[in-house]
Amino acid sequence: TQLLEQSPQFLSIQEGENLTVYCNSSSVFSSLQWYRQEPGEGPVLLVTVVTGGEVKKLKRLTFQFGDARKDSSLHITAAQPGDTGLYLCAGAPGAQKLVFGQGTRLTINP
Amino acid sequence: GAGVSQSPRYKVAKRGQDVALRCDPISGHVSLFWYQQALGQGPEFLTYFQNEAQLDKSGLPSDRFFAERPEGSVSTLKIQRTQQEDSAVYLCASSVPGGGNQPQHFGDGTRLSIL
Repeated sequence: TQLLEQSPQFLSIQEGENLTVYCNSSSVFSSLQWYRQEPGEGPVLLVTVVTGGEVKKLKRLTFQFGDARKDSSLHITAAQPGDTGLYLCAGAPGAQKLVFGQGTRLTINP
Repeated sequence: GAGVSQSPRYKVAKRGQDVALRCDPISGHVSLFWYQQALGQGPEFLTYFQNEAQLDKSGLPSDRFFAERPEGSVSTLKIQRTQQEDSAVYLCASSVPGGGNQPQHFGDGTRLSIL
């Protein structure tokens, strides 16, 4: 079974601070996706990383895929209250289905 | 709308009752997935369809869980003789074919509570 471990599970910081969320596995994934989920809604895709070492930026969010394609990170610069939510990483272990991490619940305080 | 639609949004049932959850995928999406999300956890895979064919049902937790997609569009997840541990949010997602690299578009889920 290929597992994805996210850390931290909970993070509460002040507006304007920077943060990094990690997603780690002992297994290689053909790609990793990051989703954000709001209460009462389904996850919404933020980004897909495919190539080892790949870096993608989405405004103040920076996503990186590890060289060995076993881990990924999400860095948020100058966090804002609108960034509050559950961040999920998900891996495609070569098949159709996604394996999700347990999520990082992020709270940005004004 | 253009997104994945799930109904009902909320379902309360007594232990032992059967329930049926519906998913309308995005038009033209041949791949359809069901996930179960427990409170405070990430979604866990239940089953996958490509058109009407159920290609992977390895995540279904017991034989009380059954899913179908008879015409390759709408899908129904049925849970028989519900138990309290079945309480969770059930998410449906659809995508174009192309493997796990393709983005999955999720509905807002059905929150199932078993009393």
